[in-house]
Amino acid sequence: DAGVIQSPRHEVTEMGQEVTLRCKPISGHDYLFWYRQTMMRGLELLIYFNNNVPIDDSGMPEDRFSAKMPNASFSTLKIQPSEPRDSAVYFCASSTGTTDTQYFGPGTRLTVL
Amino acid sequence: SQKIEQNSEALNIQEGKTATLTCNYTNYSPAYLQWYRQDPGRGPVFLLLIRENEKEKRKERLKVTFDTTLKQSLFHITASQPADSATYLCALGNTGKLIFGQGTTLQVKP
Repeated sequence: DAGVIQSPRHEVTEMGQEVTLRCKPISGHDYLFWYRQTMMRGLELLIYFNNNVPIDDSGMPEDRFSAKMPNASFSTLKIQPSEPRDSAVYFCASSTGTTDTQYFGPGTRLTVL
Repeated sequence: SQKIEQNSEALNIQEGKTATLTCNYTNYSPAYLQWYRQDPGRGPVFLLLIRENEKEKRKERLKVTFDTTLKQSLFHITASQPADSATYLCALGNTGKLIFGQGTTLQVKP
């Protein structure tokens, strides 16, 4: 298996622009997680899905952030409008159960100018 | 609020020695605890999971302890090697989501 796939790997955009991050989980995994990592705050859970349904989005910072999972093999995290403080590395992870190993993707490094 | 503390300063040890990393937590009752390794520019990689009713778990040169009374986990790497140099994250879980510590950077010198 190719593992969790994320795209793009790097994204540089200007404040106010819409940003869409993409994730393909490992086939057969029914849990998908979106995280954000910064030096100041570490690795934070933003939202997670089970069988394509959002279960907990309490970590989503504000209405500018939204996430969807239209099918078992694809999820997006959208920021609109983006702000400089959104600059971070965004990780997607998938697993087969809530207590099981989470497999992380390589991350998307987002820079908002 | 829930808080997880890991050694904020980097841990520097000599090759062959045992590295011990600490994870303390407050205001939380995790059902399980996981340890991950993260290399620069990469996503975290799972190492070990230990449940609240387990005291110790081992995997090759790795050992994890979990003391729910002290609210502490210790992560040991025996016979450390330069290739073990990385950032190690502890993560606590309960209702399906993980809360991660800030991580401790380990540097093993030859």
